[in-house]
Amino acid sequence: GAGVSQSPSNKVTEKGKDVELRCDPISGHTALYWYRQSLGQGLEFLIYFQGNSAPDKSGLPSDRFSAERTGGSVSTLTIQRTQQEDSAVYLCASSQDYTSTDTQYFGPGTRLTVL
Amino acid sequence: AQSVTQLGSHVSVSEGALVLLRCNYSSSVPPYLFWYVQYPNQGLQLLLKYTSAATLVKGINGFEAEFKKSETSFHLTKPSAHMSDAAEYFCAVSDGGGFKTIFGAGTRLFVKA
Repeated sequence: GAGVSQSPSNKVTEKGKDVELRCDPISGHTALYWYRQSLGQGLEFLIYFQGNSAPDKSGLPSDRFSAERTGGSVSTLTIQRTQQEDSAVYLCASSQDYTSTDTQYFGPGTRLTVL
Repeated sequence: AQSVTQLGSHVSVSEGALVLLRCNYSSSVPPYLFWYVQYPNQGLQLLLKYTSAATLVKGINGFEAEFKKSETSFHLTKPSAHMSDAAEYFCAVSDGGGFKTIFGAGTRLFVKA
């Protein structure tokens, strides 16, 4: 596609439920990132995928968070047993290659609200 | 460990006035530095980036930033603010060997008519 897309754009859930957030990166981009943006805070790195390599999960805040990337393209971020503190905007980004200087292209985000 | 500090969570300027958004970084290795902008209800997009070439970097929409190693700064400027510049701006740093990009907390720019 023309850009990174994310779905849903908004998600309201009840505490304790599981949620899945989807990211479609730009076609041909090998690197994919997930970030969390909480109110009044910067972007918090969550996880990174590069091609078929094992993802770096060092930013995931707890074992309730997991992510996968199928076929080197679409990625799903899953949050199990959601808590109110999980409420945030979840941003996905992709870049053409794995270098520190490569520009990341961001999706519009999924706003998650946990009641 | 790398870190980024953006001074001022909110900055307000008049239309036509100078825009100055401050960013200081900490890095144990020569850094790569970025400014991203997030317009209301939109995703982040790259404004400009410094990758060890020229220290004065020009970006889109008339913005530029200067890398000052002695001051560990990468402030963003624009000579004349426009109403359409109202947005949130994020400074970010990454090192030369890894992929992880550390973002600052962001500065929201308000432009008054």
